[in-house]
Amino acid sequence: AQKITQTQPGMFVQEKEAVTLDCTYDTSDPSYGLFWYKQPSSGEMIFLIYQGSYDQQNATEGRYSLNFQKARKSANLVISASQLGDSAMYFCAMREKTGANNLFFGTGTRLTVIP
Amino acid sequence: EPEVTQTPSHQVTQMGQEVILRCVPISNHLYFYWYRQILGQKVEFLVSFYNNEISEKSEIFDDQFSVERPDGSNFTLKIRSTKLEDSAMYFCASSEARGGLPNTEAFFGQGTRLTVV
Repeated sequence: AQKITQTQPGMFVQEKEAVTLDCTYDTSDPSYGLFWYKQPSSGEMIFLIYQGSYDQQNATEGRYSLNFQKARKSANLVISASQLGDSAMYFCAMREKTGANNLFFGTGTRLTVIP
Repeated sequence: EPEVTQTPSHQVTQMGQEVILRCVPISNHLYFYWYRQILGQKVEFLVSFYNNEISEKSEIFDDQFSVERPDGSNFTLKIRSTKLEDSAMYFCASSEARGGLPNTEAFFGQGTRLTVV
């Protein structure tokens, strides 16, 4: 079974609007971390936001927020007030506390911001 | 701001040759990783390294691959006898801690694009 599922291969959003990028995960480990990374066309991986499995509140970092629904095992990224520079691939990832110390990545969502 | 640096940014090599990809992790980080991303595909874990030894590796990381921390700052990935299918972006990453807890976010380098011809 896939650890991380991103069902939206591509998304479009109008500049200044908000957009939600979906991510669902699968784990039996009660302690885990969820991460979002941005990969612009230049190729680097940029860390955006972290949500811990025991965090009571949804994580926020500037225009990024994470809609964490633990019972549904979803960790959607919300980008508010989209900017042209937000156009990129976005990857959801998970790391479990026990077991292998590696990030499991989803297949990514390509976001295009339309002026 | 501290960052992970990788060299070279691009590497072209002939099939069958050996390549060494270099990385300088963030200085106070203890865990180091290599990931691979074949063009247009998702990022795949190769190996993690802690306390001068491999802590985990994926099935991709076979005998063709090896990692080393030759000194206090560099972390290298060696790929022996390269194949066409080794062409990919290789990312080095580092983190302060392991597991799914805070401060475990992995910071990635800008990647080395390896092309095997």
